[in-house]
Parts: sequence; structure tokens; C-alpha cells
Amino acid sequence: AQKVTQAQTEISVVEKEDVTLDCVYETRDTTYYLFWYKQPPSGELVFLIRRNSFDEQNEISGRYSWNFQKSTSSFNFTITASQVVDSAVYFCALSESNFGNEKLTFGTGTRLTIIP
Amino acid sequence: DGGITQSPKYLFRKEGQNVTLSCEQNLNHDAMYWYRQDPGQGLRLIYYSQIVNDFQKGDIAEGYSVSREKKESFPLTVTSAQKNPTAFYLCASSIVASGNEQFFGPGTRLTVL
Repeated sequence: AQKVTQAQTEISVVEKEDVTLDCVYETRDTTYYLFWYKQPPSGELVFLIRRNSFDEQNEISGRYSWNFQKSTSSFNFTITASQVVDSAVYFCALSESNFGNEKLTFGTGTRLTIIP
Repeated sequence: DGGITQSPKYLFRKEGQNVTLSCEQNLNHDAMYWYRQDPGQGLRLIYYSQIVNDFQKGDIAEGYSVSREKKESFPLTVTSAQKNPTAFYLCASSIVASGNEQFFGPGTRLTVL
């Protein structure tokens, strides 16, 4: 069975600091997909990134970057120069490739608070 | 604007009553999903559907029912059999293909009084 662990329940940092959110996953499949979603106070989940298991290249999008390491089954998310608007709950999720029968397994989320 | 709408935003019900949560999408997605979110537990899958008139149970389907009569609509009924229905409910949709991201609605917060 697949599992996603986000060990950090809550993190608080001062604005402009860098912060890394950890995600560790478990799966028996060789083909799978990893996701990060952001949930602002409004409640709606916002898709941030998808990674497939064959692409271990790190990705950078503005102040956001993701580090995917299969050797440690981790898919960590770093926010550089954090801003108050980054305050939200962040979820890591895993989907095993099942040719149309996709189901997402979510971690329990990390609540990030950016202190002005 | 393309997206997913859920109504109502807040819903109160008395214990023992059934209640139906609405979910509509105009993204032309075949797949739709219902999740439940409780504090500290992340999202758990209740039901999902990948085609009209067909749906499958997720991890916590007991006490819930769904229908998929139209591609755009996937209503969720919380029945009186659900022991602890107070939660935040999120609807999502996606293209049916490996690894495609799901798009989420704004959610409905259900409180049982």
C-alpha cells in the first residue's frame, strides 16, 4: 500500500527566511507520480507541481523549488525568501500509475506560517 | 470561467438527517472525486467516478452515497449512517490518464448539530 509522510505538522518562519517542507513516500510501484498542493485559508487546494518517478531532475519555479530523490524516497519542497502569502497548509501526494484508475494518497499536511 | 463549484459553502444539519453536497465542473473532465478532510488527517477519498453512471468506493465510503448521471455533476449524500459527518468536504476532477493532477473545488464545511 502506498503511504505519504509529512512529519512536520507546523512550521513558523520569519518573512524572507527560506523554509523546506519534507515529504517521504512509500510505494511498491516503479511508476508513480508525486504532487504538491497548497491549501490557503480559503480551503481550496491549489496544484503546485507533479513529478513522475522517472524524472529526478530538481525543478525551480520562481521562489519555489523541489528536490526529488528516489534513493531516499523523498520529494521535498523549498520556499526561498518566504512571504506572508505563502502561509498555508501544504500537502504532498502520491499516485500510482494505474491506467485510468488513479487515486491520490495524501500526507497529513504541513501548516506553514510566515511571520511578518 | 472554467472550474469546479461546490455548494453550499457552509452546511448545518441535525443529527439523523441526510444531506446532499453539490459538485459541478465545466472542465470537461471525465473523472470526479470526493474527499473528506479532518484536522490533522489530510484528505481521504470517499468515492470517485471515471465515467457517467459508474463510480467506485474509496477508502471511507461507509455512510455516504453518490450518483453520476451527468458528466458535469457528482453530488455526494451524507446519510444518517455516517457516524461522524462533521468535516470539510472537497470535490475534485481530472482527466482520466496516468498521473494527471486533480483540480479542486472550494469545499463545503458540514457541521452536524
